[in-house]
Order: sequence, then structure tokens, then C-alpha cells
Amino acid sequence: GENVEQHPSTLSVQEGDSAVIKCTYSDSASNYFPWYKQELGKRPQLIIDIRSNVGEKKDQRIAVTLNKTAKHFSLHITETQPEDSAVYFCAAPSGGTSYGKLTFGQGTILTVHP
Amino acid sequence: GAVVSQHPSWVICKSGTSVKIECRSLDFQATTMFWYRQFPKQSLMLMATSNEGSKATYEQGVEKDKFLINHASLTLSTLTVTSAHPEDSSFYICSAREGFQPQHFGDGTRLSIL
Repeated sequence: GENVEQHPSTLSVQEGDSAVIKCTYSDSASNYFPWYKQELGKRPQLIIDIRSNVGEKKDQRIAVTLNKTAKHFSLHITETQPEDSAVYFCAAPSGGTSYGKLTFGQGTILTVHP
Repeated sequence: GAVVSQHPSWVICKSGTSVKIECRSLDFQATTMFWYRQFPKQSLMLMATSNEGSKATYEQGVEKDKFLINHASLTLSTLTVTSAHPEDSSFYICSAREGFQPQHFGDGTRLSIL
């Protein structure tokens, strides 16, 4: 099955700085990589995803990059704001295909200090 | 769009009772639903995958007789925790997906067994 490793486990930045979270995966057939944001006691919310036919995708202050050769993908948040503080999870599909079940990373607690 | 409703949001009950949690897709047809368990400060652990009209597929180590899953329609799946004990206390979250679309999560149910 898929194995997803996420780093760092905690990340503390000053408001306005950039934050980068990295995930590695094991199944070279995986072709879909979502990122979720979860605030305390709330549902995980999909913030951005990328498919394996592109190397980068951007949505305002959030971007995701994918390196299929190295089997890693990263979340980039620029101009961080206190409301970005949350737990972020990466995921990759088990069984390779985008419609498979997801294996989640361990999560990164992001704290943005005003 | 893509709203998933989960009820109840919080349950407190005595040891030995059974608890039913509902997961509904409000504006799309959920061909596949997933049930996760999340312990404090940990990642989402998949318990089972259910496709409408089929028996659920359970992850290794998850007791199917303990966690009964029903996905009888394209908008509703239920998880019943039978004879619940304190060690079953956790945050249970469902997610739903239409076809090959991304998963969308419910708000979760915090289950406390006394």
C-alpha cells in the first residue's frame, strides 16, 4: 500500500513569512495529491490538489509542487496570516489511481504569529 | 457545492450502548463514502470504504462486527458503533465522493463513552 511521510510535524512562522510543508510517497503509480487544512475540532477542508500531469499548481497564496521522479510534493503558503494557523495534511491515493482511497500524512501544525 | 452533513456532532453515552452516526451528501450523489477515526493530535486513519449498494471494505485491524457500516442510498451512509467501550472514544469523520471527484468531509462526530 501507499506510505506517506510528512515533514515537519510543527512549523512556526511570523506573519508575512512563507511556509513550506513537504510530503513523500511510496507508490510511483499515484497520480493525485490533495492537501487538506483542519482547524481544531473541525472538518478537513480541501485547499488545493494536483494531478501528476503537471508540476505546479497555484491558487492565490497557496501553491503545490510535485516531483514525480523523487516522489515528493510540497505545499507552499506565501504571505502567511494568523488565520492560516491550523493542521495541514497531505494525502496520496492507495492503489495509485486518483479514485482510490487516500492515505494521509501525519500532519503539520502550522502556527502563524502576528 | 459538495456539502457533507454529519450527525450527531457530539455523543456521550454509557459503556455497552450502540451509537449510530449519519453521513449525508446534500448536493451530490456520493458513490463512495469513507469513514475515518482521528485521535487527538493524530492523523486521519481510514476505517472503511463503502460504495452505494455494496458491503463496506474494512481496513486491516478494524472489526466489521464492531463498526457496522450501511450505504443504502447515494446520499446516506451510517456508521454504528456497537457495544461501545471507553477505548472507542474518538473523533469519527466521514467523507464522500462522487465518481472520481475529490473527497469532501463531514464535520465529524466526537464520541465519548463513559
